[in-house]
Amino acid sequence: QVQLVQSGAEVKKPGASLKVSCKASGYTLTSYTINWVRQATGQGLEWMGWMNPNNGKTGYSQRFQGRVTMTADTSRSTAYMELTSLRSDDTGMYYCANSSLWGGPMDVWGQGTTVTVSS
Amino acid sequence: DIVMAQSPDSLAVSLGERATINCRSSQSVSSTSDNKNHLAWYQQKPGQPPKLLIYWASTRESGVPDRFSGSGSGTDFTLTISSLQAEDVAVYYCLQYYTIPRTFGQGTKVEIK
Repeated sequence: QVQLVQSGAEVKKPGASLKVSCKASGYTLTSYTINWVRQATGQGLEWMGWMNPNNGKTGYSQRFQGRVTMTADTSRSTAYMELTSLRSDDTGMYYCANSSLWGGPMDVWGQGTTVTVSS
Repeated sequence: DIVMAQSPDSLAVSLGERATINCRSSQSVSSTSDNKNHLAWYQQKPGQPPKLLIYWASTRESGVPDRFSGSGSGTDFTLTISSLQAEDVAVYYCLQYYTIPRTFGQGTKVEIK
């Protein structure tokens, strides 16, 4: 069955960088776009950006532009989201989710990766 | 960016009664090229990722109970749970996928009265 499995929880200090992975199973990674969505604790959903694993093309939310990089290793069927210059308000749950290549709704979601940024 | 505003922020409904959630977008999410409304609804239960319920404003995702229905067009949309069940307690979000950046509503918490 189609699944996205994310890497485990992370604890980081302010100013550090974070890299979360998202492994696709049950389908070919290049068949769908990968989106990244953040949810601060007790808050709503915030779209961070997306990438097309076929060609590496990305689109980022202005809020994260300059701090976020989304990549993919098709040989490992894995997508990555790197966020730099972490702040305490980056604490939350990070999800990957796929959507069709033409840009449909986010369909299959990963289980989420908890990120805590604290000194 | 398109701003998505949901109402109410929370509602409490008796078991078996109807629950209605509204979502308004700051500009139309209806495409003239495909004649579709690029609006989806998600359900999120505590400790779980969101689950896609409805897309194209009114198309139910496979496996979603038929008590969930979506309607609306242009800038005004509605998610209706026709007969609330205990397992429907959750936060519901609308999402526009018409433009980049994708934007979600702030969420509506549904509880049992």
